[in-house]
Amino acid sequence: QKEVEQNSGPLSVPEGAIASLNCTYSDRGSQSFFWYRQYSGKSPELIMFIYSNGDKEDGRFTAQLNKASQYVSLLIRDSQPSDSATYLCAVSGGSNYKLTFGKGTLLTVNP
Amino acid sequence: KAGVTQTPRYLIKTRGQQVTLSCSPISGHRSVSWYQQTPGQGLQFLFEYFSETQRNKGNFPGRFSGRQFSNSRSEMNVSTLELGDSALYLCASSFSHTAYEQYFGPGTRLTVT
Repeated sequence: QKEVEQNSGPLSVPEGAIASLNCTYSDRGSQSFFWYRQYSGKSPELIMFIYSNGDKEDGRFTAQLNKASQYVSLLIRDSQPSDSATYLCAVSGGSNYKLTFGKGTLLTVNP
Repeated sequence: KAGVTQTPRYLIKTRGQQVTLSCSPISGHRSVSWYQQTPGQGLQFLFEYFSETQRNKGNFPGRFSGRQFSNSRSEMNVSTLELGDSALYLCASSFSHTAYEQYFGPGTRLTVT
């Protein structure tokens, strides 16, 4: 049974700070890793994906993957109030290709 | 490019009834996955279809079923509705299978009374 764990939060950061969101997964054979942002009342929006160990940057977002530690993180630089949302970590591959989601971390960016 | 569309957006049904939800994927995407989202359980995988074949199935009772048509559009059906089926049902499409990036539709909010 593949599991994906995230701190539920809420994680509160001041505007302009770096927000760090973490995720661990149980299936060592997992191959694809995704971060989704979900605003209240909306559907999840894909913001980052990473397949290889290391860092991947896209604008203010950096995804970090460490397969040996079964750990993936998302850094949001220069956090804005509009970044306030629930961030969902999702993992695919390994024993099967279905996408397994963590329960999400609620991020609040305070002006 | 148009995104994933789902119809209807909102639905109210009575216990014991059945419901059919529809999903049209992004043009060129051949894989469609369905998820149930509730406050307590989060996002849970229902099933995935690719080329009209169910490739993966989550841990849901047989009352939940789906199908995919030759144009990649998909439907899911829930029979004999229970109160606990009240949830946001999300459809996501991807190019090939779930190892690829998935893009979600706006969802169908189902309320069972």
